Amino acid sequence: DAGVTQSPTHLIKTRGQQVTLRCSPKSGHDTVSWYQQALGQGPQFIFQYYEEEERQRGNFPDRFSGHQFPNYSSELNVNALLLGDSALYLCASSLKVNSPLHFGNGTRLTVT
Amino acid sequence: QKEVEQDPGPLSVPEGAIVSLNCTYSNSAFQYFMWYRQYSRKGPELLMYTYSSGNKEDGRFTAQVDKSSKYISLFIRDSQPSDSATYLCAMRGGTSYGKLTFGQGTILTVHP
Repeated sequence: DAGVTQSPTHLIKTRGQQVTLRCSPKSGHDTVSWYQQALGQGPQFIFQYYEEEERQRGNFPDRFSGHQFPNYSSELNVNALLLGDSALYLCASSLKVNSPLHFGNGTRLTVT
Repeated sequence: QKEVEQDPGPLSVPEGAIVSLNCTYSNSAFQYFMWYRQYSRKGPELLMYTYSSGNKEDGRFTAQVDKSSKYISLFIRDSQPSDSATYLCAMRGGTSYGKLTFGQGTILTVHP
């Protein structure tokens, strides 16, 4: 039973560039949530996708956007990268919107 | 003031000890409470998922929720070196679905 998979595992970008991170949910799950985890901190909620629509959004600027595809996989896009965007980006999936979240191992983004 | 406060530790205990991890919160709307374990370079792994006040036991792990005091705990009995990890408390409201609010995480080391 495949868990949540994320790609790439590591990424280095330059300030001002754009990045796309990818997530495949756990088999049977249809809802995807994205989190940002700074070093030494707990994850912070970015947004959640269900039925290909953004259902909830945390306190992140519009530079952060996403998409969910008909096969339930998802992308996180970040434009105009800042040094402060350096973090571990976690994807979590669940079955429907009201069940426990299962996390992937994340994408480590470094902005130089 | 953060919505969820968690002592970051680090906490170091001998093998076989009972470990107590705690979080306090300020948002009365929180109804679902979780504990995640995160190993280095991995994503958070769900340990316990509870609704409202009370106790829940799963093997060596016991989760307690006291909504009147806005206080949750995780107890680990007979701790093992393999329990060494960062422990994150997380919580959400009844309709917040994918939006979890996490504590900072407590770093635990169990030494043989």
